[in-house]
Amino acid sequence: AQKITQTQPGMFVQEKEAVTLDCTYDTSDPSYGLFWYKQPSSGEMIFLIYQGSYDQQNATEGRYSLNFQKARKSANLVISASQLGDSAMYFCAMREEGTGRRALTFGSGTRLQVQP
Amino acid sequence: DGGITQSPKYLFRKEGQNVTLSCEQNLNHDAMYWYRQDPGQGLRLIYYSQIVNDFQKGDIAEGYSVSREKKESFPLTVTSAQKNPTAFYLCASSIVGQGRAHTGELFFGEGSRLTVL
Repeated sequence: AQKITQTQPGMFVQEKEAVTLDCTYDTSDPSYGLFWYKQPSSGEMIFLIYQGSYDQQNATEGRYSLNFQKARKSANLVISASQLGDSAMYFCAMREEGTGRRALTFGSGTRLQVQP
Repeated sequence: DGGITQSPKYLFRKEGQNVTLSCEQNLNHDAMYWYRQDPGQGLRLIYYSQIVNDFQKGDIAEGYSVSREKKESFPLTVTSAQKNPTAFYLCASSIVGQGRAHTGELFFGEGSRLTVL
């Protein structure tokens, strides 16, 4: 079974509008972390935001916020006031703390295009 | 500046040849990772190392080998046994500490693009 599922291969948004990128995950580990990364066309991976499974509040970092719904096992990324520079691939990832493995498991990504 | 340096950025190889991708970090991170990315897809874990002189296979280790003789360096060799090596390879590092003070996010290099001719 897929551990991280991103069901939107591509998304369009108008500049200055908000957009939500979906991510669902599958784990039986009670302790885990969820991450979002941005990958521009140049290829580097840029860390955006982190949510721990025991965190009571949704994480926020500037224009990025994470809509964490633990019972539904979803961790959607919300980008407010989209900018042209937000056009990129976005990846959701998870680390299961119980495995002792620090590596992240990634989803297949969503390509976001911001239109002027 | 602290960071992760991957080289070469682009590499062409003939079938049947081994090739080694370099990854160096000066972030003083204990853990290092190699991921493979195919066009339009997510990242898949090849190998990882959480301490010097120790490394573990990831999800797609066949046809690859690594070494971790120094904390700063984690080279990846793509051997001739790797059936479809053309891909974008990303190296990353992270701290190993746990707890609320440590999100443990991965810091990535700029990647190496390998093409087999």
